Amino acid sequence: QITLKESGPTLVKPTQTLTLTCTFSGFSLSTSGVGVGWIRQPPGKALEWLALIYWDDGKHYSPSLKSRLTITKDTSKNQVVLTMTNMDPVDTATYYCALRRSIVGAPFDYWGQGTLVTVSS
Amino acid sequence: DIQMTQSPSTLSASVGDRVTITCRASQSISSWLAWYQQKPGKAPKLLIYKASSLESGVPSSISGSGSGTEFILTISSLQPDDFATYYCQQYINYPWTFGQGTKVEIK
Repeated sequence: QITLKESGPTLVKPTQTLTLTCTFSGFSLSTSGVGVGWIRQPPGKALEWLALIYWDDGKHYSPSLKSRLTITKDTSKNQVVLTMTNMDPVDTATYYCALRRSIVGAPFDYWGQGTLVTVSS
Repeated sequence: DIQMTQSPSTLSASVGDRVTITCRASQSISSWLAWYQQKPGKAPKLLIYKASSLESGVPSSISGSGSGTEFILTISSLQPDDFATYYCQQYINYPWTFGQGTKVEIK
């Protein structure tokens, strides 16, 4: 059974750095073709793709946020970590991690439940 | 970035209705398009990938079509469980981008 779960702070102050962890089970991020990505959704708004890391450590970022984002993986711990620097109230959103099982298949087959991050002083 | 535009933004329909949602890409994305369903407070659920491939477990009343720049999601007979917001997503080029969503509500 494949599961993903996001964890991290629910409240951060402006200018602080956000660190989110996606802990998963049921698959390995060392398997060829597999990737894990991050997507966010401000309250009442649309989905926004943020970043993606692949089994081979290939990484892709949203150009508009690239300077603020870092995505890393720890295969032994079954975790993917996203850091976002210089947080602002407009970054208030539910942050999801999601699995891409195959580089030739669907973009995101499985999603975590999401974690709401509020940016406020 | 490739812009994805969905229409309509909101759709009012009744149980049993045939519903279509359109997604247009700002440039050709071949068939690299996915559709998701999202209910309030829940994560998106994959419905369709590669424009027309039905994800396992998704009812056959849902179908996708199109290629290039124009895509359609069709629900052949709307069921109570289908009232939700639907998003398209292109994944041919990074950054992957989503449409703004189409909310299907009860008429």
